[in-house]
Amino acid sequence: QLQLQESGPGLVKPSETLSLTCTVSGASINSNTYYWGFIRQPPGKGLEWIGSIYYSGTTYYTSSLKSRVSISRDASRNLFSLRLRSVTAADTAIYYCVSVARDAAGPCWVGPWGQGALVTVSS
Amino acid sequence: SYVLTQPPSVSVAPGVTAWITCGGHNIGSKSVHWYQQRPGQAPILVIFYNGDRPSGIPERFSGSNSGNTATLTITRVEAGDEADYYCQVWDSATDHVVFGGGTKLTVL
Repeated sequence: QLQLQESGPGLVKPSETLSLTCTVSGASINSNTYYWGFIRQPPGKGLEWIGSIYYSGTTYYTSSLKSRVSISRDASRNLFSLRLRSVTAADTAIYYCVSVARDAAGPCWVGPWGQGALVTVSS
Repeated sequence: SYVLTQPPSVSVAPGVTAWITCGGHNIGSKSVHWYQQRPGQAPILVIFYNGDRPSGIPERFSGSNSGNTATLTITRVEAGDEADYYCQVWDSATDHVVFGGGTKLTVL
């Protein structure tokens, strides 16, 4: 059964870099069946897709964060990671790591989801 | 960028049918997926490919998609269905996963 688990600091200072790791079990991140990505949800607000990485290493990022975000993968440890630079209070959110199913047209539905990690940006 | 529009809230009494809409330009040409998010929990997929149900999702949940509107239908609404619901598509023009703003379903 595919499962994902986020890990990383729950508190980050303004202007620093937010780093989260997602450990995958039940499937290989080298699989071409999935994309792997991150979605965030500010407190009391909706879902915002951050970006995804494919087994080939190709990445996709949302336009609003593209200048500050990077997603990478470590196949030897079966995990992928998020780095978000120059954070502000507006980046405070629950961060979910997710798998994104793939069909012939490309990415389709999201799931399963990790349990989510609350990251607060504050000095 | 592609925009999905949902009503912020829908309220229904127990036992009746709830419809939650998701509007987007020519959304009928895309595959729409729906998620349920209960308070304090991660979202779960309730409908994929417009109208398919993952295993474990009750038959009371169904979906349709045509023209500029996709619809999630929940029949015989129960108190346990009270949650936020999000629609989602893949926008191939921008290679973006796109979510609607979410609809809070309240069971009166």
